[in-house]
Amino acid sequence: GAVVSQHPSRVICKSGTSVKIECRSLDFQATTMFWYRQFPKQSLMLMATSNEGSKATYEQGVEKDKFLINHASLTLSTLTVTSAHPEDSSFYICSAIRAGIDYSNQPQHFGDGTRLSIL
Amino acid sequence: AQTVTQSQPEMSVQEAETVTLSCTYDTSESDYYLFWYKQPPSRQMILVIRQEAYKQQNATENRFSVNFQKAAKSFSLKISDSQLGDAAMYFCAYRFGGGATNKLIFGTGTLLAVQP
Repeated sequence: GAVVSQHPSRVICKSGTSVKIECRSLDFQATTMFWYRQFPKQSLMLMATSNEGSKATYEQGVEKDKFLINHASLTLSTLTVTSAHPEDSSFYICSAIRAGIDYSNQPQHFGDGTRLSIL
Repeated sequence: AQTVTQSQPEMSVQEAETVTLSCTYDTSESDYYLFWYKQPPSRQMILVIRQEAYKQQNATENRFSVNFQKAAKSFSLKISDSQLGDAAMYFCAYRFGGGATNKLIFGTGTLLAVQP
């Protein structure tokens, strides 16, 4: 159990386009999801924490208006890269935490990531 | 602020041999969790092993074990009987145990090559 699906796995689009990435928890409810960005051969950098039914919490230096996060249900969070430019090209990964009483003891379950390429 | 340091950008091991990956962290908290994640070329993040700070016993998962030295803030991963499928990027990660944040802080990673 605890499967997280991320879609699309790869997207190539022109500069100026907005791109939406979906993160779904398939067999559990997730009150919290996380969005990470990973550059080649580098570590995962947390971009924001997505909470169901409320505004996302962004990490310092992450543009809220550039990276729109919506967590409208207990199984879906979306990341929209607005007016994407080549510097936004990266690998984006989401993770989800199972909703439950012992929140602090729950592991993060990761999606397979989305490779975004902006031409 | 909490930080996680992996001082070995790359490591290499012969198949069937043992290798140890290093990780140190800095925190003023007493309640936290430590993790090792594996990221193969497919880039999927796979949880290898996890350690609760309050547990003195080192965690073990089959061929994977850790050496958790709380006072030294060290958390190394030992891979025994290395297999070709172990080749991947390995990330050490820290998570504060209290509160509602549950954020993971990752180290910079160690790229492990396994030689046949």
